[in-house]
Amino acid sequence: DAGVIQSPRHEVTEMGQEVTLRCKPISGHDYLFWYRQTMMRGLELLIYFNNNVPIDDSGMPEDRFSAKMPNASFSTLKIQPSEPRDSAVYFCASSFFAGLGNTIYFGEGSWLTVV
Amino acid sequence: DAKTTQPTSMDCAEGRAANLPCNHSTISGNEYVYWYRQIHSQGPQYIIHGLKNNETNEMASLIITEDRKSSTLILPHATLRDTAVYYCIVRAYSGAGSYQLTFGKGTKLSVIP
Repeated sequence: DAGVIQSPRHEVTEMGQEVTLRCKPISGHDYLFWYRQTMMRGLELLIYFNNNVPIDDSGMPEDRFSAKMPNASFSTLKIQPSEPRDSAVYFCASSFFAGLGNTIYFGEGSWLTVV
Repeated sequence: DAKTTQPTSMDCAEGRAANLPCNHSTISGNEYVYWYRQIHSQGPQYIIHGLKNNETNEMASLIITEDRKSSTLILPHATLRDTAVYYCIVRAYSGAGSYQLTFGKGTKLSVIP
């Protein structure tokens, strides 16, 4: 299996621009997660989906952030407008909830710099 | 999820066993202990998890105390590639909070030649 695939791997953008991060989960997985990692706050859960439906978005920092999952094999995290404080590594992860003790698999992350 | 306490950093000589402790004194009966690691510039990587019994896989062993209030991750023969931040996470196996992982600060393990 190819694992969780994220794009772009690196992005540098100017403040005020729209940023779209993309994720392809592992085939057959029905949970998808978006995390953000910064030096100050560590790894934080932003939102997660089950069967393409957002379940918990309480970690989304503000209205500038939105996430969608139009189908089982694709999700986007959008920031509009972007700000320098959004600079972070954004990880997508997926899992198959097969009952007890399921494992969550992470992608390699999208490194975002907003200048 | 119950909170966990880990040392901020540890060193280990290459080829020796690395023993990473984790305290989770408020763990509930329906919570697993998970270990992940994050090598610099990479996504978190699953290592192992357990509920009550000790577990072993190709990467590591997990020793959970009988009262389940603490655990130890053992890398039997540490290599330079094991240098990473190791996260101990307690996670419910059902119901609210069982679907996601909540990361703490972890232990920075440095394997020294």
